[in-house]
Amino acid sequence: QQQVKQSPQSLIVQKGGIPIINCAYENTAFDYFPWYQQFPGKGPALLIAIRPDVSEKKEGRFTISFNKSAKQFSLHIMDSQPGDSATYFCAASASFEGAQKLVFGQGTRLTINP
Amino acid sequence: IAGITQAPTSQILAAGRRMTLRCTQDMRHNAMYWYRQDLGLGLRLIHYSNTAGTTGKGEVPDGYSVSRANTDDFPLTLASAVPSQTSVYFCASRQGPSNSPLHFGNGTRLTVT
Repeated sequence: QQQVKQSPQSLIVQKGGIPIINCAYENTAFDYFPWYQQFPGKGPALLIAIRPDVSEKKEGRFTISFNKSAKQFSLHIMDSQPGDSATYFCAASASFEGAQKLVFGQGTRLTINP
Repeated sequence: IAGITQAPTSQILAAGRRMTLRCTQDMRHNAMYWYRQDLGLGLRLIHYSNTAGTTGKGEVPDGYSVSRANTDDFPLTLASAVPSQTSVYFCASRQGPSNSPLHFGNGTRLTVT
């Protein structure tokens, strides 16, 4: 119930295309859904986040779509660039056993070809 | 530059040896975390600490221990390393509630032979 399932595992898109990464969760206790971006040799860094009372959030070229009833959320990257090539992780946060915990998806390795 | 420092950057360790991964943050964050990253499995929580003096178990705590003697330091110890502990280990911290950003170090790549 604490799992977050992410797909696809890898994705290759041409420059200018719109990659979409999907995540699904089971536990309705999750109340915060961030996306992290990770470049090779670096730790993940927060990219964008959404709360379940909002269906969409946009920051620059990055958009999160959230479907509370389906318990699914996705990341869309508009006008993708080679510099967006990275590994992306979705995550979900809630209080478990008295502590705030962040559960990550399995990650998506995104490649944007020039 | 404020942030999280992890050491060593990488390490090759013989099975059965003891190893401590170091993590120091200078942001005065209350909560700190240790994750391991494995291909296809994402980031899995090993141990966490909500504040100095307290620790808790995450999703995959077996074979690992932590301590939190002060706010800044959160070392992770492998008492007797096994090959399945070969992974990239990330330390992270955050201030405040669950909707505050998690700050990560650059990781320690550990190979247990």
